[in-house]
Amino acid sequence: QLQLEESGPGLVTSSETLSLTCRVFGGSISAISSYWGWVRQPPGGGLEWIGTIYFRGTSYYKESLKSRLTLSVDTSKNQFSLRLTSLTAADTALYFCARQAYKSESSAYVPDVWGRGTLVTVSS
Amino acid sequence: EIVLTQSPATLYVSPGESATLSCRASESIAINLAWYQQTPGQAPRLLIYGASTRATGIPARFSGSGSGRDFTLTITSLQSADFAVYYCHQYYAWPPEDTFGQGTKLEMK
Repeated sequence: QLQLEESGPGLVTSSETLSLTCRVFGGSISAISSYWGWVRQPPGGGLEWIGTIYFRGTSYYKESLKSRLTLSVDTSKNQFSLRLTSLTAADTALYFCARQAYKSESSAYVPDVWGRGTLVTVSS
Repeated sequence: EIVLTQSPATLYVSPGESATLSCRASESIAINLAWYQQTPGQAPRLLIYGASTRATGIPARFSGSGSGRDFTLTITSLQSADFAVYYCHQYYAWPPEDTFGQGTKLEMK
């Protein structure tokens, strides 16, 4: 059974850089029919897709975060990572990683397995 | 950016009854819509994708319908575990420009 687990610092300082990692268990990050994504949720708020990456390194970012966001993948460790620079309080959120699996009914990739999330608080 | 508007914001329903949740897209997204359930402290759980296909392990009490701009999630015979927040999610574009609705909170009457 596929499981994802996020890890990160929890508390970061404003203007600094956030680095999060998502480890994949029970499956391969190199699966052809899967992309890997990040979604965040501010306290008490809704969900926001922020980026997606393929195991070969092709990545896609939310337009408003493009200048600050970098996703990467390490197939040898079966994990993928997020790097977000120039943090502000608006980046405080619960960060989820998710598998985006190809669904033939939609001919598209849908987040179907999620990690439990890791809370990131940006302090001034 | 495609905006998803969910209604109502909060829905009060009694256990055993049915609930109907709506999601409207700002432009047509064909059937590229999913529904998620989220309970406090938990990750979202995929219920429906392709507007009407139930995800693995999701009971038949959950059904989705719609295409284009208007979508509905219906939950019948509500159980206590069903009282949660429900989000719709569109994944129409590639390269991805996914967005989520603001959520509907299903509360016990």
